Amino acid sequence: DTEVTQTPKHLVMGMTNKKSLKCEQHMGHRAMYWYKQKAKKPPELMFVYSYEKLSINESVPSRFSPECPNSSLLNLHLHALQPEDSALYLCASSVTGYRDEQFFGPGTRLTVL
Amino acid sequence: AQKVTQAQTEISVVEKEDVTLDCVYETRDTTYYLFWYKQPPSGELVFLIRRNSFDEQNEISGRYSWNFQKSTSSFNFTITASQVVDSAVYFCALSERVLTGGGNKLTFGTGTQLKVEL
Repeated sequence: DTEVTQTPKHLVMGMTNKKSLKCEQHMGHRAMYWYKQKAKKPPELMFVYSYEKLSINESVPSRFSPECPNSSLLNLHLHALQPEDSALYLCASSVTGYRDEQFFGPGTRLTVL
Repeated sequence: AQKVTQAQTEISVVEKEDVTLDCVYETRDTTYYLFWYKQPPSGELVFLIRRNSFDEQNEISGRYSWNFQKSTSSFNFTITASQVVDSAVYFCALSERVLTGGGNKLTFGTGTQLKVEL
């Protein structure tokens, strides 16, 4: 199994809603990532987990809350989002360190009304 | 700080033409890793190649080839005999070591939109 899966594929939410994005990989990778991508821009790193511990938080607003329950799963909890948070949210995983390529999931396209 | 420059915003070619996508990078590290990713309209980033700073050999994979030149800090990507299915955004990226923990941090270029027409 050499893929990263993400659910849901599309999500529409209001500014008062609470929702979660889910990411899963079964490649035995120990690093997992959340990226945000706006149209016609490169992905922007949000969070990095390594061995289930948060190793990078790129000054992301607290309305985004990551969680890594185990080495295969990564969640992104969303609360009180703003319309400017509408974007493609990509999850990725890699073996461990900085020499390793990251494998990306298909993304969740989020629209905040 | 690391930086990746992809000066070509958009390239249009006719099918079967060869096309080269440019990537220039800046880093103070002596050991570093470079990557190319393809992002088709569906949105998923697809890993194409990884190159480390000690390996300057060019690489060929089918219609794809990569030219890494440390002297000019460039890592260019050539598609030979392009096809419509090659239409996508291509990103070059540079890996940065995370000192406070594991994982890595990719610095992406702004991407090159390639359109291959019949």
